Amino acid sequence: KAGVTQTPRYLIKTRGQQVTLSCSPISGHRSVSWYQQTPGQGLQFLFEYFSETQRNKGNFPGRFSGRQFSNSRSEMNVSTLELGDSALYLCASRADSGSGNTIYFGEGSWLTVV
Amino acid sequence: AQSVTQPDIHITVSEGASLELRCNYSYGATPYLFWYVQSPGQGLQLLLKYFSGDTLVQGIKGFEAEFKRSQSSFNLRKPSVHWSDAAEYFCAVGAAEYGNKLVFGAGTILRVKS
Repeated sequence: KAGVTQTPRYLIKTRGQQVTLSCSPISGHRSVSWYQQTPGQGLQFLFEYFSETQRNKGNFPGRFSGRQFSNSRSEMNVSTLELGDSALYLCASRADSGSGNTIYFGEGSWLTVV
Repeated sequence: AQSVTQPDIHITVSEGASLELRCNYSYGATPYLFWYVQSPGQGLQLLLKYFSGDTLVQGIKGFEAEFKRSQSSFNLRKPSVHWSDAAEYFCAVGAAEYGNKLVFGAGTILRVKS
């Protein structure tokens, strides 16, 4: 069974641009969440989607948004990029939004903002 | 507020020696706990998880962890470290009340000397 797939793996953007990252969860998993990892702040929760609805949101500005499609694939978007948005963005999937399900992570998308 | 503490930023052990990585959490709910490992440039790989039941859990690569509710700890252990274990290790805590949101520790970087 394929794992969590994230694309693109690496990208470089310029300040002020926007970026869209994609995540395909493990087949059958309906919950997708996103995390940002930086050397200074560590791993921080961005948001979680389940059945195309945002269920939970972390403490990030509105420039960070996401969505989930009917096939459970998810995208996150960052608008008006800032240098501080340079990070590894990790997607995680789980079978459903109930408790006790194992959370699996993808390889991440490395975003560099210049 | 929920928090996870990994008191050791770096740990160096000799190959073949035993290992214990510490994790303490503060959570206002019944937690479920994970240990993940991250190699440079990679995503997070799940080592083991605790949801309920037996407080000593076994994971992949010979790792185990023990949940101690009275100490709010979930320490990771391995009896004999291999050079390939060198990586960064993250403890994470979640709860049903918080859905798919995980709170991560700052990580412990493990170095293995031969």
